[in-house]
Amino acid sequence: DQQVKQNSPSLSVQEGRISILNCDYTNSMFDYFLWYKKYPAEGPTFLISISSIKDKNEDGRFTVFLNKSAKHLSLHIVPSQPGDSAVYFCAATAYNNNDMRFGAGTRLTVKP
Amino acid sequence: NAGVTQTPKFQVLKTGQSMTLQCAQDMNHEYMSWYRQDPGMGLRLIHYSVGAGITDQGEVPNGYNVSRSTTEDFPLRLLSAAPSQTSVYFCASTPPGSDTQYFGPGTRLTVL
Repeated sequence: DQQVKQNSPSLSVQEGRISILNCDYTNSMFDYFLWYKKYPAEGPTFLISISSIKDKNEDGRFTVFLNKSAKHLSLHIVPSQPGDSAVYFCAATAYNNNDMRFGAGTRLTVKP
Repeated sequence: NAGVTQTPKFQVLKTGQSMTLQCAQDMNHEYMSWYRQDPGMGLRLIHYSVGAGITDQGEVPNGYNVSRSTTEDFPLRLLSAAPSQTSVYFCASTPPGSDTQYFGPGTRLTVL
């Protein structure tokens, strides 16, 4: 069962505009959420995270929003740049649990 | 620091063959893990280790063995390869007190 879902396999935006990537989860025990970015032929790299005690975390152009009641989180990239073109994975884990679950990924393309 | 290294980058096996995927890290991280990435499935945890001599199963452990004799190395063994094990395999390590994982560049395995 996929406990973390990214329902949009791909997203295309214009350079300078906002990119919004969405993620839903089903396990109410998850309390820590991460976004990873992956370029072709490379391993995923950590981008930003959020704890369930917060509803927003910001790091430069990247902001993650968490809606616990809806079991939904989103990653906003503003402004989007061509170098942001990559696959973005949402991940979730529970406190003191070594099992991290990943979504299927969303391929973001930022057009110049 | 080299970070997390994986060898080989590519491998083709015939059904029934065995092989070991190598993973090493030089960051002195206790926690290491193996994932497989398949289209539409995201990354799924195969096995993980919280320190030398300690390993445990993840979400999809069948067909794979691991051992952890040193902090640095965490090899993944396929005893009898099957076409269903065709995938991209990522090794990762995690610093203490963190959920952020550092991934290796991956091994692309094809089983014919």
